[in-house]
Amino acid sequence: KAGVTQTPRYLIKTRGQQVTLSCSPISGHRSVSWYQQTPGQGLQFLFEYFSETQRNKGNFPGRFSGRQFSNSRSEMNVSTLELGDSALYLCASSLEPSGQGATKNIQYFGAGTRLSVL
Amino acid sequence: AQSVTQLGSHVSVSEGALVLLRCNYSSSVPPYLFWYVQYPNQGLQLLLKYTSAATLVKGINGFEAEFKKSETSFHLTKPSAHMSDAAEYFCAVRSYNTDKLIFGTGTRLQVFP
Repeated sequence: KAGVTQTPRYLIKTRGQQVTLSCSPISGHRSVSWYQQTPGQGLQFLFEYFSETQRNKGNFPGRFSGRQFSNSRSEMNVSTLELGDSALYLCASSLEPSGQGATKNIQYFGAGTRLSVL
Repeated sequence: AQSVTQLGSHVSVSEGALVLLRCNYSSSVPPYLFWYVQYPNQGLQLLLKYTSAATLVKGINGFEAEFKKSETSFHLTKPSAHMSDAAEYFCAVRSYNTDKLIFGTGTRLQVFP
């Protein structure tokens, strides 16, 4: 069974540009969550999607957005990039969304997309 | 609000020595607790989870963790370190209020020959 797939693995952008990251969950998983990992702030929750609906959102500005498609694949978009957006962006999938049971909502992570903003 | 605190951002052990990575949680209700490992340039891999069943939880790669309510701790241990255990380890708690997964700041484990 294939794991969580994130593309691309590496991205280099300049300030002011926008970027779209993609995440394909484990087959059968319907919930996708996104995290930002930086040396200074650690792992921070961005948002969670289930059935094409955002269920949960972290404390990030509106420049950060996401969506989920009917096949459970998810994308996140960052507009008007800032230097501080440089980070490893991790996607995690689970069978069911959080709150649906201890086993069904265990999150499995992809390898991440490393974004560098110059 | 629930949170986890990982004591020690860096831990160094010799190969074959005991590994002990500390995690304390803050929660007013029984928590769901997790340990994840991150190898260089990779995502997070689930090591083990506590979901209010057995207090001693066995995970992959020989790791285990014990949930101690009296100490609000969920420390990760391995009897004998291997070079391949060198990685960063994250303790996490699932928030009952928001359902979000809240991570500790991580502990980088170094294993010396």
